[in-house]
Amino acid sequence: ETGVTQSPTHLIKTRGQQVTLRCSSQSGHNTVSWYQQALGQGPQFIFQYYREEENGRGNFPPRFSGLQFPNYSSELNVNALELDDSALYLCASSSGLPIYNEQFFGPGTRLTVL
Amino acid sequence: DAKTTQPNSMESNEEEPVHLPCNHSTISGTDYIHWYRQLPSQGPEYVIHGLTSNVNNRMASLAIAEDRKSSTLILHRATLRDAAVYYCILSNPIQGGSEKLVFGKGTKLTVNP
Repeated sequence: ETGVTQSPTHLIKTRGQQVTLRCSSQSGHNTVSWYQQALGQGPQFIFQYYREEENGRGNFPPRFSGLQFPNYSSELNVNALELDDSALYLCASSSGLPIYNEQFFGPGTRLTVL
Repeated sequence: DAKTTQPNSMESNEEEPVHLPCNHSTISGTDYIHWYRQLPSQGPEYVIHGLTSNVNNRMASLAIAEDRKSSTLILHRATLRDAAVYYCILSNPIQGGSEKLVFGKGTKLTVNP
């Protein structure tokens, strides 16, 4: 059973650019959640996708957008990058809606915005 | 969002039990209590979760107070590999009947050999 994978591992962008981060869910999982983790802080919920539909969103501006594909892999897109977007971006997958189910996290993508 | 309060850091010795406390006085009747841990340079890892009754699994035990306003994660015999940041989390409902995890800063556990 393959775990959650994310790509790329590290990324450096400049302010104003756009970035796409990718996540492959664990086999059989149809729900993906994305989190942003600033240095020294706990992860903050960005949004969740269930069966290709956005299923909830945290306090992030519209320039943070996402997509889930029929194979349940997912993308996080961030437009007009700002310095404060520098963080570790984590995706987590679960089987069904994560009410009672544990979420499996990937290792994250470290984004640096200069 | 319902909040949890944890000590910033704790220390333990290898092979001794560790009790990690968490206060969640604003918990509602339907909130589950989750614990995740994050080892250095890794994503968070599920440890355990519960609603009202105490819970045990291969990793840990979760003791929940009768009024549910606090809980304790118990690692029965700490190992060096248990050194991590431990997050006590109340799940918060979002649309579609799902939930999100609201992380605080967690407790950094140091295990001494």
